[in-house]
Amino acid sequence: EAQVTQNPRYLITVTGKKLTVTCSQNMNHEYMSWYRQDPGLGLRQIYYSMNVEVTDKGDVPEGYKVSRKEKRNFPLILESPSPNQTSLYFCASSLDRGFGYTFGSGTRLTVV
Amino acid sequence: GQQLNQSPQSMFIQEGEDVSMNCTSSSIFNTWLWYKQDPGEGPVLLIALYKAGELTSNGRLTAQFGITRKDSFLNISASIPSDVGIYFCAGRNYGGSQGNLIFGKGTKLSVKP
Repeated sequence: EAQVTQNPRYLITVTGKKLTVTCSQNMNHEYMSWYRQDPGLGLRQIYYSMNVEVTDKGDVPEGYKVSRKEKRNFPLILESPSPNQTSLYFCASSLDRGFGYTFGSGTRLTVV
Repeated sequence: GQQLNQSPQSMFIQEGEDVSMNCTSSSIFNTWLWYKQDPGEGPVLLIALYKAGELTSNGRLTAQFGITRKDSFLNISASIPSDVGIYFCAGRNYGGSQGNLIFGKGTKLSVKP
């Protein structure tokens, strides 16, 4: 089944403890992206990648890192999480720049 | 960052009624997309629009790419209970990177049986 898989689905962590949210797609898509969703703010793009080793900042990149070493994987790294990064995170992928993104099921992160 | 203005924020309608929502931008977009999000899930693409003036349907859903390239609307005809969810518009800025897809804040739709 064609899909975008994120792990974990739920995560509670403490301030300052480094964490990684994994994302993998099995559709051979060129583009991948991370979004965060907060009540009243909609979906805001964190980072995106146009291909292996090519990434760029979205609208809210502060406090996040990404890497694209392989086409299928696009992990999101929080080096020192803070409570304001508590949010619902979505990974997404797209075949080409002309197509919409296919989204994963989300990761709900709580930082205490 | 750039924002899309999506309205209304929420709608409460009776089953069978038609629904209309829209999205506007201060700058020109070359792609408009409409997504639906069910509770606990990621957004799912409903309709994609690539050309000014384009009108596209997907079952009971119809969306249009505004002629000015700065707006788009989505209509749902004869609503049913499973239409409940949050609808998002999304767009790519004409001068921006192709990977940079911007979302509106969503329209929450509730349908009374």
